[in-house]
Amino acid sequence: AQSVTQPDIHITVSEGASLELRCNYSYGATPYLFWYVQSPGQGLQLLLKYFSGDTLVQGIKGFEAEFKRSQSSFNLRKPSVHWSDAAEYFCAVGALAAGNKLTFGGGTRVLVKP
Amino acid sequence: DAMVIQNPRYQVTQFGKPVTLSCSQTLNHNVMYWYQQKSSQAPKLLFHYYDKDFNNEADTPDNFQSRRPNTSFCFLDIRSPGLGDAAMYLCATSREGTLNTEAFFGQGTRLTVV
Repeated sequence: AQSVTQPDIHITVSEGASLELRCNYSYGATPYLFWYVQSPGQGLQLLLKYFSGDTLVQGIKGFEAEFKRSQSSFNLRKPSVHWSDAAEYFCAVGALAAGNKLTFGGGTRVLVKP
Repeated sequence: DAMVIQNPRYQVTQFGKPVTLSCSQTLNHNVMYWYQQKSSQAPKLLFHYYDKDFNNEADTPDNFQSRRPNTSFCFLDIRSPGLGDAAMYLCATSREGTLNTEAFFGQGTRLTVV
């Protein structure tokens, strides 16, 4: 069975500073990996995804993530955060078989200091 | 141009009174999912439809049922809501059977049980 771990429950970062959110996954085959963002009271918005190919993927809102098979990681980064980046971020692994079910990590809440 | 629409956004129901949440999509995706997300937790898959085929997760309580009368609509029925069922309910869709697929989420319905 697939699983996802996000080690950091909360991260506080100053506006303009860089951000890195960690994600580790467990899956028996090539994973399909996603990062979603959720603002309070809202649904999930896809930031980026990895299926194959280039291990550094670019997403929306200036985010990028790097897939490292050897470390079973898919960390999310942003060079300079904006106050509007304050939200909860979820890493997820999907299985193309079995209905593309997503398994989510526990989430990381990002707070942005002025 | 919302593609996955959930109604209502907020639902208050009485303890034990059946309640139905609805989801509609304009993407013509063949897979639809219902996730439950409790406060400060990751979304948890309840079940999904692959076309008309219903797939229940092993740990989804019997209290939760679903209907999909056509491609566009899917309903979540909670037969006898308990206080522990208060949560955000997220509907999502995806196109199964293709590479480079992703799940599209609605804005969610926040259910309060009083």
